[in-house]
Amino acid sequence: KNQVEQSPQSLIILEGKNCTLQCNYTVSPFSNLRWYKQDTGRGPVSLTIMTFSENTKSNGRYTATLDADTKQSSLHITASQLSDSASYICVVSAENNFNKFYFGSGTKLNVKP
Amino acid sequence: DAGVTQSPTHLIKTRGQQVTLRCSPKSGHDTVSWYQQALGQGPQFIFQYYEEEERQRGNFPDRFSGHQFPNYSSELNVNALLLGDSALYLCASSSQGATDTQYFGPGTRLTVL
Repeated sequence: KNQVEQSPQSLIILEGKNCTLQCNYTVSPFSNLRWYKQDTGRGPVSLTIMTFSENTKSNGRYTATLDADTKQSSLHITASQLSDSASYICVVSAENNFNKFYFGSGTKLNVKP
Repeated sequence: DAGVTQSPTHLIKTRGQQVTLRCSPKSGHDTVSWYQQALGQGPQFIFQYYEEEERQRGNFPDRFSGHQFPNYSSELNVNALLLGDSALYLCASSSQGATDTQYFGPGTRLTVL
């Protein structure tokens, strides 16, 4: 069964600290993995996308890693800011003709001053 | 280049009523997917439209139906609304020729009283 699991469910950190969010998946055949940031009540916005051959991708203070062998990904946020408070969703795409996307439930990050 | 747009932004309905939500995909995209996102949860796939036909469907009852127009815009219709239909409804567009990209709209917040 194709699934995407994220941990932790929620996380509270102090402003300026680093944090790492995890994503494990069983989607097959794998096409790509994308991390989204979703502010409350808004649509998700893409942060990074990685294909099978990529094991790291950065977008400013966000760095995603991918281990296709263990089917794990992480999103590392450096020097967190209050504006990083949001839900972070891991989405894995299956390689087929129909753009099939599998969503994790997200990690809710709260950055406190 | 306009991104994905959705209307209305917010909507309040009562149980038993019917609702229609609208989505215009990103320029150059021909595939539209609809998602339901309950508060604190990840998006749940409803269905996907391509070439004016429903191509894939998630685990949603027949009360949820849709349509895609020749200009690729799409509608989501929900009949006989239930309290549990209250959620953020997200539209995402992608291109059949580029399976690694999916862009989300800002969503429509539906409240059923």
